[in-house]
This record gives sequence, structure tokens and C-alpha cells, in this order.
Amino acid sequence: GENVEQHPSTLSVQEGDSAVIKCTYSDSASNYFPWYKQELGKRPQLIIDIRSNVGEKKDQRIAVTLNKTAKHFSLHITETQPEDSAVYFCAASYTGNQFYFGTGTSLTVIP
Amino acid sequence: DSGVTQTPKHLITATGQRVTLRCSPRSGDLSVYWYQQSLDQGLQFLIQYYNGEERAKGNILERFSAQQFPDLHSELNLSSLELGDSALYFCASNLVGGGETQYFGPGTRLLVL
Repeated sequence: GENVEQHPSTLSVQEGDSAVIKCTYSDSASNYFPWYKQELGKRPQLIIDIRSNVGEKKDQRIAVTLNKTAKHFSLHITETQPEDSAVYFCAASYTGNQFYFGTGTSLTVIP
Repeated sequence: DSGVTQTPKHLITATGQRVTLRCSPRSGDLSVYWYQQSLDQGLQFLIQYYNGEERAKGNILERFSAQQFPDLHSELNLSSLELGDSALYFCASNLVGGGETQYFGPGTRLLVL
């Protein structure tokens, strides 16, 4: 089955700096890659996603890039703010199948 | 609000007991997923249902079982509870399965004493 690895497990950045979280996957059939943000005790919330026919997608300060050849995708957050502090999860799936999640990255933005 | 509802919000019970967690997917969604999240841990996939049928199984213990009913709501049954079963249990749904956005419910927090 699919295996998703996520790095780093923790990340601290100064407010205003950029943060990058990386994930790799193993199954070339995976075609959908969402990113979730989870605040303590709350549900995971989708922040951005990308499909395998697209190399990059941007939504304001958040962007995701996908390299299908290397089987890795990354989350980029620019101009970080304290409210960006949370745990971020990547996932991979293909049509009709289950979702395979990374182990999460705890991001702390230091004011 | 994602449109996915879960009941109860909180549950406190004793070891050895049995509980049932309930999930109602978003209107129109046919696929339901269950996840377990222990303290400071990641999301552990338990099981996926599609239109009443089991589609995929993760690391679900034999003491746990689930089903999806004709009205598409789902229940997760946890029996012979142990202290280590204390966790947040999330339900998620989408239309047909992987390859599209998955929406999470607010979770049920289970505490086993």
C-alpha cells in the first residue's frame, strides 16, 4: 500500500519568515494530495490540495508544489503569523481509495 | 462547520465497557472514514465505508467494529475498552472516496478510566 513520510516533525520559525513542510509518497497511482491544519483538540481542516495533473497551486500565503517524478510534495507558508501555529498533516490518495496521512508537523511561529 | 456531525462530543467510561460512536456524513456523501487520534499522535486510519459496504481497513483492532447503515450514517463500536483506547475519534466523509476533498467531523473525545 501507500506510504507517506512527512518532515520535519517540529518546526519553529520567526513571525514573518517562511515555513516549508515536505512529504514523500510511494504509490505512483496516488493522484490527490491534500494538506490539513489541526489546532489543539479541533478537527483537521483542509487548507489546500493539489491534483497530480498540476505542479503548483497557490492560495494567498499558502502554496503547494508537487513533483510526480520524485514522488514528493511540499507545503509553503510565507509571511508566517502566530495564528499559523498548529499541526499540519499531508495526505495522499487516489480515486475511491482511502487516505494515507503523514505523521504531522508541529509548527510554532514565534512572535 | 463541515456538515459532518458526530455524537457524543465527549464520553467517559470504564475499562471493559462498550461504547458506540455515531457519525452522520455530509448530505449526499456516500463514503465515510473513521480515524483515531491519541494524545499528540497522528491520525490513525481505522476503516472506510462506501454506500454501506466496507471498502478499506486500516489498523483497526478486533475489539472495534463499524458499519454504515442504509441512511448512510455510520457507527463505530468499541468493546472491552482499555486505558489506551482513550483518544479523539474522528469521522470524515466525501462523495465517493479518495481523490477528492474529505471533510472531518468535530470528533468524539473518549476517556477510559
